[in-house]
Amino acid sequence: GQNIDQPTEMTATEGAIVQINCTYQTSGFNGLFWYQQHAGEAPTFLSYNVLDGLEEKGRFSSFLSRSKGYSYLLLKELQMKDSASYLCAVRDGDYQLIWGAGTKLIIKP
Amino acid sequence: IAGITQAPTSQILAAGRRMTLRCTQDMRHNAMYWYRQDLGLGLRLIHYSNTAGTTGKGEVPDGYSVSRANTDDFPLTLASAVPSQTSVYFCASSSGSDDEQFFGPGTRLTVL
Repeated sequence: GQNIDQPTEMTATEGAIVQINCTYQTSGFNGLFWYQQHAGEAPTFLSYNVLDGLEEKGRFSSFLSRSKGYSYLLLKELQMKDSASYLCAVRDGDYQLIWGAGTKLIIKP
Repeated sequence: IAGITQAPTSQILAAGRRMTLRCTQDMRHNAMYWYRQDLGLGLRLIHYSNTAGTTGKGEVPDGYSVSRANTDDFPLTLASAVPSQTSVYFCASSSGSDDEQFFGPGTRLTVL
């Protein structure tokens, strides 16, 4: 079967760095997405990885290792507004998106 | 303002009733999607459309139907609602099926 695993919840301190991991087992791979979702709102796109390595976008970076079926989202200089759920999604061999359940990130002052 | 709109924002529905959730996008995206999001579960794809005039079944299509008569609109119909269809429903669109998806604000549906 297809499976995406993320931690359910993480807590971090304002100004710190946090790494949210995502492991996946899918039938084929055509890219991995990270989305941010604030409570009661729609998901919004953060990053996309299709090749191994690190993609950096301001305070957010995303890493992919296809051989390990592993990705992480790195958030630096955490701000209170970063409190949200972070969703990992993999595009499988049929080009359908398979979504993880999301990681709820709690930022404490 | 470019984007995706959904209606209604929320709805309480008696079991057995028919309900259509509306979704409209003005970005001229080819692909559109309907998801449901339940606590503790990832987004699950109900139906999708890669282009106007075509639709496909996702992971959880039973009890739902869609149509795609034009590029902009992608309504989702529950023919006879059941309590297990209580969920938050998100419509999304993308330029092509390979591209990032943009989400509407969601419809919170409660079936009693």
